[in-house]
Amino acid sequence: AQTVTQSQPEMSVQEAETVTLSCTYDTSESNYYLFWYKQPPSRQMILVIRQEAYKQQNATENRFSVNFQKAAKSFSLKISDSQLGDTAMYFCAFMKHNTGTASKLTFGTGTRLQVTL
Amino acid sequence: DGGITQSPKYLFRKEGQNVTLSCEQNLNHDAMYWYRQDPGQGLRLIYYSQIVNDFQKGDIAEGYSVSREKKESFPLTVTSAQKNPTAFYLCASSSWGSRSTIYFGEGSWLTVV
Repeated sequence: AQTVTQSQPEMSVQEAETVTLSCTYDTSESNYYLFWYKQPPSRQMILVIRQEAYKQQNATENRFSVNFQKAAKSFSLKISDSQLGDTAMYFCAFMKHNTGTASKLTFGTGTRLQVTL
Repeated sequence: DGGITQSPKYLFRKEGQNVTLSCEQNLNHDAMYWYRQDPGQGLRLIYYSQIVNDFQKGDIAEGYSVSREKKESFPLTVTSAQKNPTAFYLCASSSWGSRSTIYFGEGSWLTVV
C-alpha cells in the first residue's frame, strides 16, 4: 500500500514571495504519478501540477513547479510570486500507473496555505 | 460545458434514513470515483468503477453502496449502516491509460440531523 505524508499542516507566505510545500511518499512501485491538488474555500479540488515518475525533469506550470526526488521519495511544490488567490488547502497525491484500467489516488492530509498582504 | 456535476450541494439525513448523492459526467470518462473528506483530513476512497456495471470497494466502503448503469452516472447511496456519515463527498472521473488524470466535481455536503 502507498502512503503520502505532508508534514506541514499550515503555512503562511506574503504576497509576491515564494513558498515551498513538502510531501513525502512511500511505495514499492516503480511506475507512478504524483500530483498536487489545490482546494480553495469553495472546496472544489483543482489540479495544480502532475509529475510522471519516469521523467527526471521536474514539472512546471506557470508559477508552480515541483522538486521531484525519486530516490528520496520526495515531491515538494514551489509557488513563486504568491498571490492572494493561492490561499487554499494543498494536497499531495500518489497514483500507481495502470495500463488499461482505472487508477486510484492516495492523498496526504493537506497543507493549509495562507497568503497575506 | 464539459465537467462533473454533483447534486445536491447540501443534504440533510435523519437517523436511520438512506440518502443518495448524484454524480454525472459528460467528459466521456470510463472511470468514476467517490471520495469522502472529513474536516481537516485528506480524501479517502469509498468506491470506484472502471466501466459500466462494474465497481470495486475502496478503503472505506462499509455503509455505502453504488451503481453504474450508465457511463455518465455513478450515484452513491449512504445507508443507515454508515454510523458517521457527516462529511464532504467528492465525485471524480478519469480516462484510462498513461495520461489519466482524475478530475473532481464540486462536492456535496451531507449532515446528519
